[in-house]
Amino acid sequence: AQSVTQPDIHITVSEGASLELRCNYSYGATPYLFWYVQSPGQGLQLLLKYFSGDTLVQGIKGFEAEFKRSQSSFNLRKPSVHWSDAAEYFCAVGSGYSTLTFGKGTMLLVSP
Amino acid sequence: DTAVSQTPKYLVTQMGNDKSIKCEQNLGHDTMYWYKQDSKKFLKIMFSYNNKELIINETVPNRFSPKSPDKAHLNLHINSLELGDSAVYFCASSQGGTGGDEQFFGPGTRLTVL
Repeated sequence: AQSVTQPDIHITVSEGASLELRCNYSYGATPYLFWYVQSPGQGLQLLLKYFSGDTLVQGIKGFEAEFKRSQSSFNLRKPSVHWSDAAEYFCAVGSGYSTLTFGKGTMLLVSP
Repeated sequence: DTAVSQTPKYLVTQMGNDKSIKCEQNLGHDTMYWYKQDSKKFLKIMFSYNNKELIINETVPNRFSPKSPDKAHLNLHINSLELGDSAVYFCASSQGGTGGDEQFFGPGTRLTVL
Protein backbone atom coordinates (compact mmCIF):
# COMPACT_ATOMS: atom_id res chain seq x y z
CA ALA A 1 0.00 0.00 0.00
CA GLN A 2 1.19 3.49 -0.74
CA SER A 3 1.89 5.95 2.06
CA VAL A 4 3.24 9.44 2.60
CA THR A 5 5.24 10.82 5.50
CA GLN A 6 5.64 14.50 6.23
CA PRO A 7 8.01 14.48 9.20
CA ASP A 8 7.52 18.11 10.20
CA ILE A 9 4.20 19.04 11.78
CA HIS A 10 5.12 22.73 12.05
CA ILE A 11 7.84 24.84 10.47
CA THR A 12 8.53 28.51 11.15
CA VAL A 13 10.42 30.53 8.58
CA SER A 14 11.32 34.21 8.53
CA GLU A 15 9.84 36.23 5.72
CA GLY A 16 12.32 36.36 2.86
CA ALA A 17 14.14 33.22 3.96
CA SER A 18 14.22 30.01 1.96
CA LEU A 19 11.89 27.12 2.64
CA GLU A 20 12.07 23.36 2.31
CA LEU A 21 9.22 21.07 3.31
CA ARG A 22 9.99 17.38 3.46
CA CYS A 23 7.96 14.54 2.00
CA ASN A 24 8.80 10.86 1.83
CA TYR A 25 6.63 8.32 0.09
CA SER A 26 6.31 4.58 -0.03
CA TYR A 27 5.27 2.96 -3.28
CA GLY A 28 6.61 0.05 -5.31
CA ALA A 29 6.73 1.65 -8.73
CA THR A 30 7.09 5.19 -10.01
CA PRO A 31 4.45 7.20 -8.23
CA TYR A 32 2.51 10.28 -9.15
CA LEU A 33 3.43 12.94 -6.62
CA PHE A 34 1.60 16.12 -5.69
CA TRP A 35 1.90 19.08 -3.38
CA TYR A 36 -1.28 20.86 -2.31
CA VAL A 37 -1.68 23.99 -0.17
CA GLN A 38 -4.57 24.75 2.14
CA SER A 39 -5.00 28.32 3.33
CA PRO A 40 -7.02 28.84 6.52
CA GLY A 41 -10.70 28.12 5.94
CA GLN A 42 -10.11 27.13 2.33
CA GLY A 43 -10.03 24.00 0.25
CA LEU A 44 -6.86 22.49 -1.15
CA GLN A 45 -5.14 23.99 -4.16
CA LEU A 46 -2.62 22.15 -6.32
CA LEU A 47 0.88 23.68 -6.24
CA LEU A 48 2.65 21.21 -8.51
CA LYS A 49 2.81 17.59 -9.58
CA TYR A 50 5.33 15.06 -10.82
CA PHE A 51 4.51 12.24 -13.20
CA SER A 52 7.72 11.51 -15.10
CA GLY A 53 10.60 13.18 -16.88
CA ASP A 54 12.52 16.07 -15.37
CA THR A 55 12.84 15.46 -11.66
CA LEU A 56 12.73 19.16 -10.82
CA VAL A 57 9.17 20.40 -11.13
CA GLN A 58 8.07 24.03 -11.17
CA GLY A 59 4.75 25.03 -9.72
CA ILE A 60 2.64 28.05 -8.99
CA LYS A 61 3.52 30.86 -6.58
CA GLY A 62 7.27 30.32 -7.05
CA PHE A 63 7.35 26.81 -5.59
CA GLU A 64 9.38 23.92 -6.92
CA ALA A 65 9.89 20.30 -5.87
CA GLU A 66 12.50 17.70 -6.63
CA PHE A 67 11.79 14.01 -7.05
CA LYS A 68 14.60 11.83 -5.72
CA ARG A 69 13.90 8.17 -6.36
CA SER A 70 16.90 6.96 -4.35
CA GLN A 71 15.61 8.74 -1.27
CA SER A 72 11.88 8.22 -1.97
CA SER A 73 11.48 11.94 -1.45
CA PHE A 74 9.63 14.82 -3.05
CA ASN A 75 10.61 17.90 -1.08
CA LEU A 76 8.99 21.26 -1.71
CA ARG A 77 11.14 24.39 -1.89
CA LYS A 78 10.80 28.11 -2.28
CA PRO A 79 13.77 30.50 -2.37
CA SER A 80 12.07 33.42 -0.59
CA VAL A 81 8.97 33.01 1.54
CA HIS A 82 6.25 35.65 1.70
CA TRP A 83 3.85 36.15 4.60
CA SER A 84 1.00 35.01 2.35
CA ASP A 85 2.63 31.57 2.08
CA ALA A 86 1.58 30.76 5.66
CA ALA A 87 -0.71 27.76 5.25
CA GLU A 88 -0.94 23.99 5.60
CA TYR A 89 0.96 22.01 2.97
CA PHE A 90 0.06 18.48 1.95
CA CYS A 91 2.13 16.01 0.00
CA ALA A 92 0.20 13.25 -1.77
CA VAL A 93 1.04 10.11 -3.72
CA GLY A 94 -1.06 8.29 -6.28
CA SER A 95 -0.78 5.62 -8.91
CA GLY A 96 -2.63 4.44 -11.97
CA TYR A 97 -4.40 1.86 -9.86
CA SER A 98 -5.50 3.85 -6.85
CA THR A 99 -6.50 7.31 -5.80
CA LEU A 100 -4.49 9.79 -3.80
CA THR A 101 -3.04 9.18 -0.36
CA PHE A 102 -2.24 12.34 1.56
CA GLY A 103 0.38 12.99 4.19
CA LYS A 104 -0.64 14.52 7.51
CA GLY A 105 0.42 17.97 6.45
CA THR A 106 3.01 20.55 7.52
CA MET A 107 1.87 23.86 8.93
CA LEU A 108 4.07 26.73 7.69
CA LEU A 109 4.30 29.77 9.91
CA VAL A 110 6.00 32.89 8.57
CA SER A 111 7.57 35.29 11.05
CA PRO A 112 8.19 38.96 10.23
CA ASP B 1 -17.21 30.78 -11.50
CA THR B 2 -16.66 28.36 -8.65
CA ALA B 3 -15.35 25.05 -9.97
CA VAL B 4 -16.34 22.86 -7.01
CA SER B 5 -18.94 24.24 -4.63
CA GLN B 6 -20.34 22.86 -1.41
CA THR B 7 -23.30 23.85 0.72
CA PRO B 8 -23.54 24.63 3.49
CA LYS B 9 -20.18 26.04 4.53
CA TYR B 10 -20.97 25.59 8.22
CA LEU B 11 -23.32 23.09 9.81
CA VAL B 12 -24.04 22.93 13.54
CA THR B 13 -26.42 20.27 14.76
CA GLN B 14 -27.35 18.05 17.67
CA MET B 15 -26.34 14.43 18.14
CA GLY B 16 -28.81 12.01 16.61
CA ASN B 17 -29.93 14.35 13.83
CA ASP B 18 -29.73 13.60 10.10
CA LYS B 19 -28.04 16.10 7.79
CA SER B 20 -26.93 16.44 4.19
CA ILE B 21 -24.07 18.23 2.48
CA LYS B 22 -24.33 19.06 -1.19
CA CYS B 23 -21.54 19.24 -3.76
CA GLU B 24 -21.56 20.40 -7.35
CA GLN B 25 -18.77 20.68 -9.91
CA ASN B 26 -18.93 22.57 -13.19
CA LEU B 27 -15.67 21.23 -14.61
CA GLY B 28 -17.23 18.41 -16.59
CA HIS B 29 -15.25 15.87 -14.56
CA ASP B 30 -16.22 12.22 -14.41
CA THR B 31 -15.10 11.47 -10.85
CA MET B 32 -16.09 13.02 -7.55
CA TYR B 33 -14.90 12.37 -4.02
CA TRP B 34 -15.72 12.99 -0.38
CA TYR B 35 -12.92 13.48 2.13
CA LYS B 36 -13.02 13.93 5.89
CA GLN B 37 -10.46 16.20 7.53
CA ASP B 38 -10.19 15.70 11.27
CA SER B 39 -9.10 18.17 13.93
CA LYS B 40 -5.44 17.31 13.29
CA LYS B 41 -5.88 18.21 9.61
CA PHE B 42 -5.52 14.58 8.49
CA LEU B 43 -7.30 14.17 5.16
CA LYS B 44 -8.89 10.80 4.55
CA ILE B 45 -10.91 9.68 1.56
CA MET B 46 -14.40 8.41 2.26
CA PHE B 47 -15.97 7.76 -1.14
CA SER B 48 -15.40 8.26 -4.82
CA TYR B 49 -17.89 8.10 -7.65
CA ASN B 50 -17.17 7.78 -11.35
CA ASN B 51 -20.04 8.67 -13.68
CA LYS B 52 -22.52 8.18 -10.84
CA GLU B 53 -21.12 4.75 -9.91
CA LEU B 54 -19.53 4.11 -6.53
CA ILE B 55 -15.84 3.28 -6.97
CA ILE B 56 -14.27 3.68 -3.56
CA ASN B 57 -15.99 3.11 -0.27
CA GLU B 58 -13.47 3.25 2.52
CA THR B 59 -14.20 2.00 5.98
CA VAL B 60 -16.94 4.45 6.74
CA PRO B 61 -19.94 3.79 8.99
CA ASN B 62 -23.06 3.01 7.00
CA ARG B 63 -24.65 6.07 8.60
CA PHE B 64 -22.86 7.91 5.78
CA SER B 65 -24.54 7.52 2.42
CA PRO B 66 -23.35 9.28 -0.72
CA LYS B 67 -25.78 9.95 -3.53
CA SER B 68 -24.89 11.01 -7.06
CA PRO B 69 -27.98 12.13 -9.03
CA ASP B 70 -25.76 13.00 -12.01
CA LYS B 71 -22.05 13.21 -12.63
CA ALA B 72 -21.90 16.88 -11.66
CA HIS B 73 -23.34 16.30 -8.18
CA LEU B 74 -22.31 14.19 -5.22
CA ASN B 75 -24.22 14.67 -2.00
CA LEU B 76 -23.39 13.23 1.40
CA HIS B 77 -26.15 12.25 3.78
CA ILE B 78 -25.34 11.45 7.38
CA ASN B 79 -27.80 9.70 9.69
CA SER B 80 -27.81 9.67 13.47
CA LEU B 81 -24.95 12.13 13.83
CA GLU B 82 -22.36 11.45 16.53
CA LEU B 83 -19.84 13.71 18.25
CA GLY B 84 -17.02 12.02 16.35
CA ASP B 85 -18.51 13.12 13.06
CA SER B 86 -17.42 16.68 13.79
CA ALA B 87 -14.88 17.52 11.09
CA VAL B 88 -14.43 19.42 7.87
CA TYR B 89 -15.80 17.54 4.87
CA PHE B 90 -14.32 18.26 1.46
CA CYS B 91 -15.75 17.42 -1.89
CA ALA B 92 -13.36 17.09 -4.83
CA SER B 93 -13.50 16.16 -8.49
CA SER B 94 -11.11 14.95 -11.17
CA GLN B 95 -11.32 14.05 -14.82
CA GLY B 96 -10.27 10.46 -14.34
CA GLY B 97 -10.46 8.28 -11.27
CA THR B 98 -6.87 7.28 -10.76
CA GLY B 99 -4.10 8.57 -8.59
CA GLY B 100 -2.58 10.39 -11.53
CA ASP B 101 -5.49 12.77 -11.88
CA GLU B 102 -5.36 16.22 -10.35
CA GLN B 103 -8.18 16.70 -7.90
CA PHE B 104 -9.99 20.00 -7.52
CA PHE B 105 -11.33 20.68 -4.06
CA GLY B 106 -14.35 22.53 -2.80
CA PRO B 107 -14.08 25.03 0.09
CA GLY B 108 -15.19 22.50 2.69
CA THR B 109 -18.12 22.14 5.07
CA ARG B 110 -17.34 22.45 8.76
CA LEU B 111 -19.70 20.12 10.63
CA THR B 112 -20.03 20.54 14.37
CA VAL B 113 -22.07 18.00 16.31
CA LEU B 114 -23.12 19.10 19.80
